[in-house]
Amino acid sequence: QSVLTQPPSASGIPGQRVTISCSGSNSNIGTNNLYWYQQLPGTAPKLLIYSDSQRPSGVPDRFSGSKSGTSASLAISGLRSEDEADYYCATWDDSLSGPVFGGGTKLAVL
Amino acid sequence: QVQLQESGPGLVKPSETLSLTCTVSGASISTYYWGWIRQTPGKGLEWIAYMFYSGKPNYNPSLKGRLTMAVDTSNNQFSLKLSSVTAADTAVYYCVRQTGLTPQYDFWGQGTLVTVSS
Repeated sequence: QSVLTQPPSASGIPGQRVTISCSGSNSNIGTNNLYWYQQLPGTAPKLLIYSDSQRPSGVPDRFSGSKSGTSASLAISGLRSEDEADYYCATWDDSLSGPVFGGGTKLAVL
Repeated sequence: QVQLQESGPGLVKPSETLSLTCTVSGASISTYYWGWIRQTPGKGLEWIAYMFYSGKPNYNPSLKGRLTMAVDTSNNQFSLKLSSVTAADTAVYYCVRQTGLTPQYDFWGQGTLVTVSS
């Protein structure tokens, strides 16, 4: 019962492009920037995208983020086996005065 | 390089208080916001608390009343106390560096598993 809604799973084959969606409301995604995190097994989440579509230094340009209204998407192009991980979206919620997260999407590279 | 390291008991009895400390190296705690996030298999990532070193802590309303967060500038550490714990508080607890009033966490601790059990 996370505030932001993500599909629980996604999959793709190497080289393919996959997208992961994240939906919320006017009090969160609709008025605040969106962030994406990648969590590899047994490790802490790592910032992948900030401010809707910006990549931190070191994040490959295969990863891209977009936002429209109360929904956002993470796209991964040229899928690689090392992209197999859990992906979380996050944003600020004005009603909560704090951050909210999606439930996470487990990406499988077949 | 900024590093964060959580420390504290891995096992806490029900109704007792969970206490964690995060030691920051490579950066002064007297800048940025600092926070705590936990992760459970059932609920995913959950924000717990955040604060600026010189400000008042902000707590997740769902946990408010049980939380105390503090910053110790002399030791470059910050801490979390969660009282009256139950099995539902069993989780991996992460300390993080937060960029302003955003969920931008550039640096995370490795996480520490806290199990609530008698």
